[in-house]
Amino acid sequence: SAVISQKPSRDICQRGTSLTIQCQVDSQVTMMFWYRQQPGQSLTLIATANQGSEATYESGFVIDKFPISRPNLTFSTLTVSNMSPEDSSIYLCSVVGHPRLGNEKLFFGSGTQLSVL
Amino acid sequence: GQQLNQSPQSMFIQEGEDASMNCTSSSIFNTWLWYKQDPGEGPVLLIALYKAGELTSNGRLTAQFGITRKDSFLNISASIPSDVGIYFCAGPPNFGNEKLTFGTGTRLTIIP
Repeated sequence: SAVISQKPSRDICQRGTSLTIQCQVDSQVTMMFWYRQQPGQSLTLIATANQGSEATYESGFVIDKFPISRPNLTFSTLTVSNMSPEDSSIYLCSVVGHPRLGNEKLFFGSGTQLSVL
Repeated sequence: GQQLNQSPQSMFIQEGEDASMNCTSSSIFNTWLWYKQDPGEGPVLLIALYKAGELTSNGRLTAQFGITRKDSFLNISASIPSDVGIYFCAGPPNFGNEKLTFGTGTRLTIIP
């Protein structure tokens, strides 16, 4: 099974609705992050998911639009709220501090391809 | 904020040829990472560089940490079809920071 699993892998959603993306890691990790990759673009950090407290958002991203949870050291969710076509992107979960992958490096899940109609 | 510019933006090479790409920053980086992204997948870490001037290989891939600390280079030798994908450089904008800034990407296409 995958070290970092994301669900769903892809979805097509109607504007105005919300989608919650799940990220499950097979071991406890130090840090978890959420990135966005818009079509044909590079990766942009949305936020750091903090275990047991509010996420830390990067400039241009807000909690109302992208609420994040991290209830424990192996799981996090990202919700894309009140979606519009501009939210169509790949959303990627990433981790640092995985005991087998390497403590100091950033590793990614396979991503969630979101299309908003 | 810091930007990482990659060149070329895209490249087309014949199978068996080498591919070279580079990444430049407007400021100093203390770590350089190179990732590859296949369609429909998340980026996969290829090589990590930690010291200025460092040259590191991973199979047919070789990467160098520029001595100015503002650039890095990736070379792929004797390309094969599975090398197709998008290559990203990345680095932490602040020392000891796990958050990464990613480059603009280089799309590699291999002509059979």
